Amino acid sequence: KNQVEQSPQSLIILEGKNCTLQCNYTVSPFSNLRWYKQDTGRGPVSLTIMTFSENTKSNGRYTATLDADTKQSSLHITASQLSDSASYICVVTTSSGGYNKLIFGAGTRLAVHP
Amino acid sequence: DGGITQSPKYLFRKEGQNVTLSCEQNLNHDAMYWYRQDPGQGLRLIYYSQIVNDFQKGDIAEGYSVSREKKESFPLTVTSAQKNPTAFYLCASRGGPPNEQYFGPGTRLTVT
Repeated sequence: KNQVEQSPQSLIILEGKNCTLQCNYTVSPFSNLRWYKQDTGRGPVSLTIMTFSENTKSNGRYTATLDADTKQSSLHITASQLSDSASYICVVTTSSGGYNKLIFGAGTRLAVHP
Repeated sequence: DGGITQSPKYLFRKEGQNVTLSCEQNLNHDAMYWYRQDPGQGLRLIYYSQIVNDFQKGDIAEGYSVSREKKESFPLTVTSAQKNPTAFYLCASRGGPPNEQYFGPGTRLTVT
């Protein structure tokens, strides 16, 4: 069964600190992996996208890694800001019959406190 | 939120009533999607449409219906047959490059 598991479920950090969010997946075949940021009550917004051959990608203070062998990804946030408070969702794309299907993790809810 | 609009942002209905959620996009994307988001769960696909006048059931289509008469519009009707309709509903469209899926701001439906 195609699944995406994220940990931790929730996380509280102080402003300025770094943090790392984890994503493990059992999705086959694998097309790509995305990290989305979702503010409360809003739609998700894409942060990064990585294909099989990419093992790291940065977007400002966000750095995503991908280990396709162990089927693990992480999202590292550097020097956190209050505006980083949101849910972070790991999404793996798989292909079947010419159709791309997105498998969503449940997300990690991050709270950044002053 | 790109060029995708959903309305209304909040919707309240009595049990037994059908309700239609609006989704409009001006991105000229062919593909559009409806997802449902519940606390502690990943987004689940309700319906999708890859082209005008065509749509397919997703993983949890029971109790829902859609239409795709125009490229820009993909309304979702939550019928009285949906057992647990209270949720956050997200519409998305896909196009590009980079063939990305863009989400609307969502509609929170509460049925009492």
